[in-house]
Amino acid sequence: AQSVSQHNHHVILSEAASLELGCNYSYGGTVNLFWYVQYPGQHLQLLLKYFSGDPLVKGIKGFEAEFIKSKFSFNLRKPSVQWSDTAEYFCAVTDSWGKLQFGAGTQVVVTP
Amino acid sequence: DGGITQSPKYLFRKEGQNVTLSCEQNLNHDAMYWYRQDPGQGLRLIYYSQIVNDFQKGDIAEGYSVSREKKESFPLTVTSAQKNPTAFYLCASHSEGSSNYGYTFGSGTRLTVV
Repeated sequence: AQSVSQHNHHVILSEAASLELGCNYSYGGTVNLFWYVQYPGQHLQLLLKYFSGDPLVKGIKGFEAEFIKSKFSFNLRKPSVQWSDTAEYFCAVTDSWGKLQFGAGTQVVVTP
Repeated sequence: DGGITQSPKYLFRKEGQNVTLSCEQNLNHDAMYWYRQDPGQGLRLIYYSQIVNDFQKGDIAEGYSVSREKKESFPLTVTSAQKNPTAFYLCASHSEGSSNYGYTFGSGTRLTVV
């Protein structure tokens, strides 16, 4: 069975710092990869997704992610975070059947 | 507007009672999913259905049941066999035919056992 691992459960950083959240998956077949964000009290929102092509994917709000097939990784990055980036971030993977599996999430707190 | 409607938003249940959470979509999506969200555990898949009259267990199906009699509807029943049902439940739907491989999420139901 496929699984999704997010390396950090909690991250605290200051405004303007760079952010990188790790995500690894265990599935040998073709996958589609996603990062979702959930702001406090709000619904899940898609940040970015990767299906094929350029492994460096740019999403909304200045986020990007890099797919490294050899490492089964899809890490999320943002060069300079803002207080408004405080949220929970979820990595998700679909297999060839389209079943969407989520990681446990990373709570990110950005301090002013 | 197309989307997913989950009802009710908040639900209280006494121990030992079954309760059914509603999920309706008007997106014409083939696949529908139920997730449970707990703090620190992310979203865990309970059941999913790729097509009408067919569904499969997810990672934590014990104590839950579903049906998929209509394409638009995928109700989840939390039975008395579910030992720790208090959680936030999210329904989602998906269509491979969507240009953005779209997964759409409902607004969720918060179930509390009292």
